Amino acid sequence: TQLLEQSPQFLSIQEGENLTVYCNSSSVFSSLQWYRQEPGEGPVLLVTVVTGGEVKKLKRLTFQFGDARKDSSLHITAAQPGDTGLYLCAGAYTNAGKSTFGDGTTLTVKP
Amino acid sequence: DAGITQSPRHKVTETGTPVTLRCHQTENHRYMYWYRQDPGHGLRLIHYSYGVKDTDKGEVSDGYSVSRSKTEDFLLTLESATSSQTSVYFCAISRGAAYEQYFGPGTRLTVT
Repeated sequence: TQLLEQSPQFLSIQEGENLTVYCNSSSVFSSLQWYRQEPGEGPVLLVTVVTGGEVKKLKRLTFQFGDARKDSSLHITAAQPGDTGLYLCAGAYTNAGKSTFGDGTTLTVKP
Repeated sequence: DAGITQSPRHKVTETGTPVTLRCHQTENHRYMYWYRQDPGHGLRLIHYSYGVKDTDKGEVSDGYSVSRSKTEDFLLTLESATSSQTSVYFCAISRGAAYEQYFGPGTRLTVT
């Protein structure tokens, strides 16, 4: 049973379009992270959200943590080819010492 | 840059041979992790460590062992490699109360 479900699994769009990807769970997390991974490299942390309802912005990327701290979304405005990659969410519990990762959303932005 | 290196970066080995992958960090972090990444499975935790000689199993620990004799080094051993262990292996450290992960560059292991 996958603790964190990410959707869609694959997304291919044209440059300039907007998109939203989702990370859903039946569990309540104390924090949730989003990572981006490019081919041949390790994932890179984008953001951490810890408060229910929290919204964080990173240039054209907007991250939201659900009010119940069970789900999160990532919205990209005016996508660019440089946004292409695998987007992973991960949830952590207080004092657990580890995180649980979703299977990711593979995003392709075509010029 | 979290100062994480992995060695080797690429390895091809035969079924039944032992393999050891090394992760080295330069920042003295307490927590270290080994993950494997396969198409369609995202990142799956193999083992992790919360201090020297303190380790625990992850969700896919069968066939793997780990050791941490120094803060800076975390070793992953496949005692007898199998083709199902062909994968990309990532080491990570965590910082902060939310266990944000910082990853090494990965090791691509092929078991023939």
